[in-house]
Amino acid sequence: DAGVTQSPTHLIKTRGQQVTLRCSPISGHKSVSWYQQVLGQGPQFIFQYYEKEERGRGNFPDRFSARQFPNYSSELNVNALLLGDSALYLCASSFSAAGSGQPQHFGDGTRLSIL
Amino acid sequence: GENVEQHPSTLSVQEGDSAVIKCTYSDSASNYFPWYKQELGKRPQLIIDIRSNVGEKKDQRIAVTLNKTAKHFSLHITETQPEDSAVYFCAVDNYGQNFVFGPGTRLSVLP
Repeated sequence: DAGVTQSPTHLIKTRGQQVTLRCSPISGHKSVSWYQQVLGQGPQFIFQYYEKEERGRGNFPDRFSARQFPNYSSELNVNALLLGDSALYLCASSFSAAGSGQPQHFGDGTRLSIL
Repeated sequence: GENVEQHPSTLSVQEGDSAVIKCTYSDSASNYFPWYKQELGKRPQLIIDIRSNVGEKKDQRIAVTLNKTAKHFSLHITETQPEDSAVYFCAVDNYGQNFVFGPGTRLSVLP
C-alpha cells in the first residue's frame, strides 16, 4: 500500500507570494495533520482535519489555511509568504483524530524556500 | 498547553553500547506516546509507541518505558549499530492539541 504522499517535493517562492501544498493520506485514514519543521527543531503542529472538518489549529497566523476533500486528501495554503516560512512542511495521516491513541504516519514533506 | 522536554539534545555512544533518551511532559491527560526516528533529509518514521495503560513495551532492540505518575517516558536502544544514528523525537498525543513533539536528540553511534 502507498504511504502518505506529498507534492511538490521542493518549492522556491519569493516574499509576498502564495503557495499550495498537497497531501494524500494512507488509504483508509480519515485524519490529516500538517506540521512545520524548521531545521534543527521538532515538527510544530499547524492543522488537523478529521472527516473534512478542522479539529485543531496550532499557533500559526491566519496566513495559513487548509482544507480536506471528500477523498480525505488535503491542501495547505500559505499567503503573503515571509522569509521565516522557509521550512519542511510535513503531512501526517492517521485513522482517527488526535486523542484516540492512533499513530500518525508522515510523508516525505515539501521543502519550501522563500527568497 | 502541553510542554514536552527531551534530554539529552545530543548523545554519542560506541557501537554495541546502549542509548537512553528521556522525555518529560506536563499534561497528565496525555494518553499516547510515540517515538520517531528521522534520518537526514527523510521523513520522521515511527519506531515504537506506548499507550497510557501500559508501563513498558519492547520491539527487538528498542523499548519504551512510561512513568505516568512522574510524567516521563524513555526510549531505550540496546546493542546500538551505526544505522541507529539519526535524530530521535518523542511526541505526546494530547486530545485537542494533536501531537506535541520534543526538540529532538541527535544520536551518533561511533564504530
